[in-house]
Amino acid sequence: NAGVTQTPKFQVLKTGQSMTLQCAQDMNHEYMSWYRQDPGMGLRLIHYSVGAGITDQGEVPNGYNVSRSTTEDFPLRLLSAAPSQTSVYFCASSRTRRSYGYTFGSGTRLTVV
Amino acid sequence: KNEVEQSPQNLTAQEGEFITINCSYSVGISALHWLQQHPGGGIVSLFMLSSGKKKHGRLIATINIQEKHSSLHITASHPRDSAVYICAVDTGNQFYFGTGTSLTVIP
Repeated sequence: NAGVTQTPKFQVLKTGQSMTLQCAQDMNHEYMSWYRQDPGMGLRLIHYSVGAGITDQGEVPNGYNVSRSTTEDFPLRLLSAAPSQTSVYFCASSRTRRSYGYTFGSGTRLTVV
Repeated sequence: KNEVEQSPQNLTAQEGEFITINCSYSVGISALHWLQQHPGGGIVSLFMLSSGKKKHGRLIATINIQEKHSSLHITASHPRDSAVYICAVDTGNQFYFGTGTSLTVIP
């Protein structure tokens, strides 16, 4: 039982490049979400999904796209990377949004130069 | 504008001490979460509360919905409790997070 798997763990991008951060869970959780964590600002919700085919915006969605074609996977796409997107990104899942026990991935440290 | 405020920002305690971390919020919520972030960066869910009090081992979390305030207590603190503790509120549409309380427990 792997829980929530995020890849890659580290990534350096040049401004303007695009990339996809991968998030996969094997717990059959309906709710999945992406966060970014910046020093002094805490975690912020980027996008979330309450089930396959359903996504919605969080607090800071600009510059990011998501899709949820399967229950297991919830990739986060950076369309045109900017230095302001340098951050640590976490994916999390739970049985439902209102369930106790969010499981977090180990994070992706992204640097945009 | 900070929807969630935590205090203190930093806390150092001797092993065995009783610890309290506070969280105040300014929005209507459907639930409040307490998370623990280990020194290596990993995040673990501790509690989800919508009312009252919950206990898990040496950890106790309380919430007062009318006062928009929650507390996390650690009894008989231990060096392995050293971590950042994060309060988060779910408004139903959004999640808002506090900036965390960094706890160091000295042997």
